[in-house]
Amino acid sequence: GAGVSQTPSNKVTEKGKYVELRCDPISGHTALYWYRQSLGQGPEFLIYFQGTGAADDSGLPNDRFFAVRPEGSVSTLKIQRTERGDSAVYLCASSWGAYNEQFFGPGTRLTVL
Amino acid sequence: KNQVEQSPQSLIILEGKNCTLQCNYTVSPFSNLRWYKQDTGRGPVSLTIMTFSENTKSNGRYTATLDADTKQSSLHITASQLSDSASYICVVSATGYGGATNKLIFGTGTLLAVQP
Repeated sequence: GAGVSQTPSNKVTEKGKYVELRCDPISGHTALYWYRQSLGQGPEFLIYFQGTGAADDSGLPNDRFFAVRPEGSVSTLKIQRTERGDSAVYLCASSWGAYNEQFFGPGTRLTVL
Repeated sequence: KNQVEQSPQSLIILEGKNCTLQCNYTVSPFSNLRWYKQDTGRGPVSLTIMTFSENTKSNGRYTATLDADTKQSSLHITASQLSDSASYICVVSATGYGGATNKLIFGTGTLLAVQP
């Protein structure tokens, strides 16, 4: 593809609900990253995939957050029992390898009411 | 604790003027430093990437400097344009942090507004 795409662009949900956020990386990129960006802050690392496996999930805030990348391309970030504090923009990035430039998607703005 | 601090938090300049944004970091082990431009509602876009051995790097009207001894970087924008209005984020990469991850540590950004 031309770039990293993320869907939906906006998601509004109620507290306690389950949400899934999707990321389509640039074709051929083996590394995929998820970040969370709160208003007025820089992005904060959540999880990194190298291929299908999560090589580093140290940034996930708690066990309500989970991400998968079953075929080494598309990734889904899953949030259970959403809380108002989960409201943020969730950014996805991909790169050729772990140490190469990361290309960011436009993000998904999640609002938990 | 790995941190990246930026100043000023926000800046307003007139079109055609120059400006300099500052970044201080405490990240170890240091791999590289990047400056990103983030337009409202968009993902960050890379402007420059510098390793510890590079002192300066340019990308058009953007020039970044790096002093690895003092752990400071700056981004200079020349002859600003209205389209330069955005958030500029300093990002430091820590090699081998937690393993093989190229973990990026983001600053909070400088919000630049260029006015006609």
